[in-house]
Amino acid sequence: DTEVTQTPKHLVMGMTNKKSLKCEQHMGHRAMYWYKQKAKKPPELMFVYSYEKLSINESVPSRFSPECPNSSLLNLHLHALQPEDSALYLCASSQGPLRGVEQYFGPGTRLTVT
Amino acid sequence: GNSVTQMEGPVTLSEEAFLTINCTYTATGYPSLFWYVQYPGEGLQLLLKATKADDKGSNKGFEATYRKETTSFHLEKGSVQVSDSAVYFCALSDQGGSEKLVFGKGTKLTVNP
Repeated sequence: DTEVTQTPKHLVMGMTNKKSLKCEQHMGHRAMYWYKQKAKKPPELMFVYSYEKLSINESVPSRFSPECPNSSLLNLHLHALQPEDSALYLCASSQGPLRGVEQYFGPGTRLTVT
Repeated sequence: GNSVTQMEGPVTLSEEAFLTINCTYTATGYPSLFWYVQYPGEGLQLLLKATKADDKGSNKGFEATYRKETTSFHLEKGSVQVSDSAVYFCALSDQGGSEKLVFGKGTKLTVNP
């Protein structure tokens, strides 16, 4: 199984809502990632969890809160978002911070903030 | 810091044409190099990779060779198909095995029948 799954596929939320994005992998990977991708742009790294600990936070606003309940699951909690936060949110996983390892990406959650 | 520069396109080709998408990088030492592809409405998929100089990555008819002397990793395919229409991203991770991927800006390829 080389699949990373993400739910929901689409999400529309108001600026006062609280919602969560979910990501799951069953490849035994020890690193998991959240990326934000705007239209016609490359993915931008937001957070990295390595061995279930937050190892990288790319100065992401606190309205985005990541959580890694176990090595297979990654959540992104959303609160008080702004319309400019509308984007495709991609989850990825890899074997870890090892030379030459690739990241496996999920299909993404298309988020619209109204 | 590390960076990747790739031709931005868009690139439009006819079916069975030859494809080249240029990618050059700036990094210290020997980074690992990747090409990812993103089909419309989907996440990114690894297309191929190379981890040391003169390595050739290949997959689905696509090839790229890690050229240390020119700091390049150009993507090529001899005969493109309509189904190859997608956005292609060149990326690197540094030689220390960083968790960070540095992406180029992406090149949109459209193949017409």
